[in-house]
Amino acid sequence: AQKITQTQPGMFVQEKEAVTLDCTYDTSDQSYGLFWYKQPSSGEMIFLIYQGSYDEQNATEGRYSLNFQKARKSANLVISASQLGDSAMYFCAMREAYSGAGSYQLTFGKGTKLSVIP
Amino acid sequence: GAVVSQHPSWVICKSGTSVKIECRSLDFQATTMFWYRQFPKQSLMLMATSNEGSKATYEQGVEKDKFLINHASLTLSTLTVTSAHPEDSSFYICSASRGGIQPQHFGDGTRLSIL
Repeated sequence: AQKITQTQPGMFVQEKEAVTLDCTYDTSDQSYGLFWYKQPSSGEMIFLIYQGSYDEQNATEGRYSLNFQKARKSANLVISASQLGDSAMYFCAMREAYSGAGSYQLTFGKGTKLSVIP
Repeated sequence: GAVVSQHPSWVICKSGTSVKIECRSLDFQATTMFWYRQFPKQSLMLMATSNEGSKATYEQGVEKDKFLINHASLTLSTLTVTSAHPEDSSFYICSASRGGIQPQHFGDGTRLSIL
């Protein structure tokens, strides 16, 4: 079973509008972390935002906010005031408890391709 | 900041050659480094986790003898694709962490094309 599910392969949004990218996760751990990364066509992975499982407040970073609904196991990314430069792949990722391999591994979703329309 | 440099960014080589990719943490000591592979329009798949001074832990299905990982120092890990074949063509990306729950910082990736 997938641990991270991103149900939207592609999304379109008008410039200056807000957009929500969906992410649901599956874990039995009590302590975990959720991340969102942006990957432009050039390939680099750009960290956007982080939410810890014990954080009571939704994380925000500039135009990015994370709508964390723990009971639903969802961690949707909201981008406000979309810009043309926001066009990219967006990946949701989860870090669970210690993996035994020496550190905490990330599991990535399949990604959502966001296209911002002028 | 936490800068990770990955080199080379692009490699094209003939089938049968070995290719080495370097991952360096420039401004922090990386206890742990991770190597991922990404096929076009797909997600990142973890290949192995590498801790400084010890053998890498490979994910299921990843050939240890094919993808040699060395993490000899706290700032450098290398991935060597041995006797590369066209099916090894992919985007390889590393990340580095100070360890524990510290976040992973990614390099810019290496596009490998085997002819």
